[in-house]
Amino acid sequence: QLQLQESGPGLVKPSETLSLNCSVSGGSISSNSYYWGWIRQPPGKGLEWVASIYYDGSTYYNPSLKSRVTISVDTSKNIFSLKLNSVTAADTAVYFCARQVRFLEWLSFHDYWGQGTLVTVSS
Amino acid sequence: EIVLTQSPGTLSLSPGERVTLSCRASQSITSPYLAWYQQKPGQAPRLLIYGSSNRATGIPDRFSGSGSGTDFTLTISRLEPEDFAVYYCQQYGSSPFTFGPGTKVHIK
Repeated sequence: QLQLQESGPGLVKPSETLSLNCSVSGGSISSNSYYWGWIRQPPGKGLEWVASIYYDGSTYYNPSLKSRVTISVDTSKNIFSLKLNSVTAADTAVYFCARQVRFLEWLSFHDYWGQGTLVTVSS
Repeated sequence: EIVLTQSPGTLSLSPGERVTLSCRASQSITSPYLAWYQQKPGQAPRLLIYGSSNRATGIPDRFSGSGSGTDFTLTISRLEPEDFAVYYCQQYGSSPFTFGPGTKVHIK
């Protein structure tokens, strides 16, 4: 059974960089059938796709965050990571990592999700 | 960017009732690349439907999806107690992949 687990600091100061890892177990991140991505959800609000990555390093970003976001993958450790710099209170959210099915060589729906981790931006 | 609108925002229903949730897109969605997710408090979203009408693995057949172009629906034929949750639609036909604001289905 595939499992994804987010990890990282729960508190980040304004203007600093948010860094999260997602560990994948029960499956290989190097599969050519999937992308791997991040979705966030501010408290009490809806879902926002942040970024996705393929095992070969190809990246896809939400234009609204692209200037501040970096997604990366480490196939040797079966993890992928998110960095969001210059954070503000508006970046406070639960961050989910998820597997995204590759369909016709394109990203599609998210079929497996991690439990999510709350990141609060506050001094 | 494709904007998704869901209606109604909230529904108050009883177990056993039939419910139809709506998701409307600001422009036509390719192919149709539309998914539905269920989210309960404190949990991650769970994939219910992909490709507008395909049930994900393990999803009961009381859940069904339909639609194309700009108008999509999720139907729950008979509400079970565990179905009270928030439901989100998502389009993945074009980047950025966007979600609707959700419909909350709660117990009357």
